[in-house]
Amino acid sequence: AQSVTQLDSQVPVFEEAPVELRCNYSSSVSVYLFWYVQYPNQGLQLLLKYLSGSTLVKSINGFEAEFNKSQTSFHLRKPSVHISDTAEYFCAVSGIRGGAQKLVFGQGTRLTINP
Amino acid sequence: SQTIHQWPATLVQPVGSPLSLECTVEGTSNPNLYWYRQAAGRGLQLLFYSVGIGQISSEVPQNLSASRPQDRQFILSSKKLLLSDSGFYLCAWSVPSGTSGVGETQYFGPGTRLLVL
Repeated sequence: AQSVTQLDSQVPVFEEAPVELRCNYSSSVSVYLFWYVQYPNQGLQLLLKYLSGSTLVKSINGFEAEFNKSQTSFHLRKPSVHISDTAEYFCAVSGIRGGAQKLVFGQGTRLTINP
Repeated sequence: SQTIHQWPATLVQPVGSPLSLECTVEGTSNPNLYWYRQAAGRGLQLLFYSVGIGQISSEVPQNLSASRPQDRQFILSSKKLLLSDSGFYLCAWSVPSGTSGVGETQYFGPGTRLLVL
């Protein structure tokens, strides 16, 4: 069985400060990992994903995450956050079941940016 | 380009009333379709998924059901709503990637917020 643990339910940071949102997973099969972002009252948007290859993956808006197999982690980082990054962030691991991908999500981390 | 629609955006229903939420996808054929529920303060829970017309798989036992009458239409229903059915319901789609399916990106709709009173 697969599971995802997001260690922080809320992370408050000041604008232009760095941030790290932590994600640990467990999986008995090949690992495919995702970070999704949910802005207030909206659906989820894919932020970045790791499928294979380079363990460091980046998004277009400055976020990056590193797949660490030995630590079973996929932490999300940004060196300098903006007010517009205020959102809830979900880490997910995928598995296959019945011909379709099944995403197992963490509980989410609410990122609040203070001016 | 592909788009996904959900309606209604918000819904307030009394306990015991029926429910029908609709999701449609445009710009793609034979997608995999998913229904998730996000309860207040909790993560996302997969409710149903479908790999084709009339093919529905349920992930958790509940008083909800799903149907896929057309290739790009996915409906979530209930005959009698419970208070515990309140939440944010999200529909998602993905392009099937063959027999494995692993690594497919899921694209989410805007969601329906349901409040059962």
